[in-house]
Amino acid sequence: QQQVKQSPQSLIVQKGGISIINCAYENTAFDYFPWYQQFPGKGPALLIAIRPDVSEKKEGRFTISFNKSAKQFSLHIMDSQPGDSATYFCAARDTGRRALTFGSGTRLQVQP
Amino acid sequence: GAGVSQSPSNKVTEKGKDVELRCDPISGHTALYWYRQSLGQGLEFLIYFQGNSAPDKSGLPSDRFSAERTGGSVSTLTIQRTQQEDSAVYLCASSPSPGAGTGELFFGEGSRLTVL
Repeated sequence: QQQVKQSPQSLIVQKGGISIINCAYENTAFDYFPWYQQFPGKGPALLIAIRPDVSEKKEGRFTISFNKSAKQFSLHIMDSQPGDSATYFCAARDTGRRALTFGSGTRLQVQP
Repeated sequence: GAGVSQSPSNKVTEKGKDVELRCDPISGHTALYWYRQSLGQGLEFLIYFQGNSAPDKSGLPSDRFSAERTGGSVSTLTIQRTQQEDSAVYLCASSPSPGAGTGELFFGEGSRLTVL
């Protein structure tokens, strides 16, 4: 199956808090798991990505945690800021198909 | 240009009319993708072009949808006999050839289609 399930649909976090978004997948052929960030009126932009041979990747305040056996991965935003308010999409790509399959998105609002 | 360019940015049409949406990818990118984003929804894959290979059309929702890519660069997405359920933002993305980069997709800002 190509589906990627994302939760929650929306998230409100206080400034300085931790934002956590989760995704799950079924297709064991997926080999690349990116997260995209989208601001209103703009196209999505790559935020951070991970391959299944590592369990965690950190870039600044953003961390991906990857659990291959559970077929789940999550995005953690530490010290969340109002500027992080956006819609976040997880995605996955399998080895035989170049196009990304996206989750349904999480609308994050960071309150000052 | 520096990024993926899409036109028009907004299109309002009447039900039953045909529309064409244009995408100009980043120079040198061999892969081009079309996605559809309905209000409050995720990104739905439509079609993928890679170089001179046959396109992956597996995401096109009906035969009213078609796309072409001329000269390995500019792409046009055509929707015939538009329906109200076609209203969405149509996003185009491009990426370098497989193996030449990280696999990152670079998206345009989209064409917002409203069918009355």
